[in-house]
Amino acid sequence: DAGVTQSPTHLIKTRGQQVTLRCSPKSGHDTVSWYQQALGQGPQFIFQYYEEEERQRGNFPDRFSGHQFPNYSSELNVNALLLGDSALYLCASSQLAAETQYFGPGTRLLVL
Amino acid sequence: TQLLEQSPQFLSIQEGENLTVYCNSSSVFSSLQWYRQEPGEGPVLLVTVVTGGEVKKLKRLTFQFGDARKDSSLHITAAQPGDTGLYLCAGVQREYGNKLVFGAGTILRVKS
Repeated sequence: DAGVTQSPTHLIKTRGQQVTLRCSPKSGHDTVSWYQQALGQGPQFIFQYYEEEERQRGNFPDRFSGHQFPNYSSELNVNALLLGDSALYLCASSQLAAETQYFGPGTRLLVL
Repeated sequence: TQLLEQSPQFLSIQEGENLTVYCNSSSVFSSLQWYRQEPGEGPVLLVTVVTGGEVKKLKRLTFQFGDARKDSSLHITAAQPGDTGLYLCAGVQREYGNKLVFGAGTILRVKS
């Protein structure tokens, strides 16, 4: 049984560009959350998706948007990239109302 | 805004020594979780503590939840090089879809 998978593993972009990161949840999970982890920091909550809708959102600008598909997989989109967007982006999946979330290996984004 | 303060930020010790990592908050969380993160990987859940005063043991790791459910500690006995990694505490906000609020983490290095 595959765990949470994310793609790509690494990505290099330049300022102003747009990026799309992808996440496939663990089998049987219907809820996907995205976190941003800057170097030397703990992960920060971006948003959570359930039933293809954004249910919760952290303190991130509208440049950060997402989507969940009928098969529960999810995408994170970031527009107008800034240098400060360089970070490890983590996807976590769970069953709705379950406290335990399972994290993927992350996508490391570098903005030059 | 609920924040978690984690200390120390960095710990370098010899194999066989004991250590304690602290996690403090000004607010009460539904529960508190401890994670370990290896380089290039996502955080892996070690334990969830729910009840004030709760103590959980996982081999050489002992986790405590403060009586007021605002603070927690992780104690490692006889540390081994395999314990090296980033340890993160996270408060669970059940009222926000089990959103996780992470501390900044403690980097532990155990030298042989």
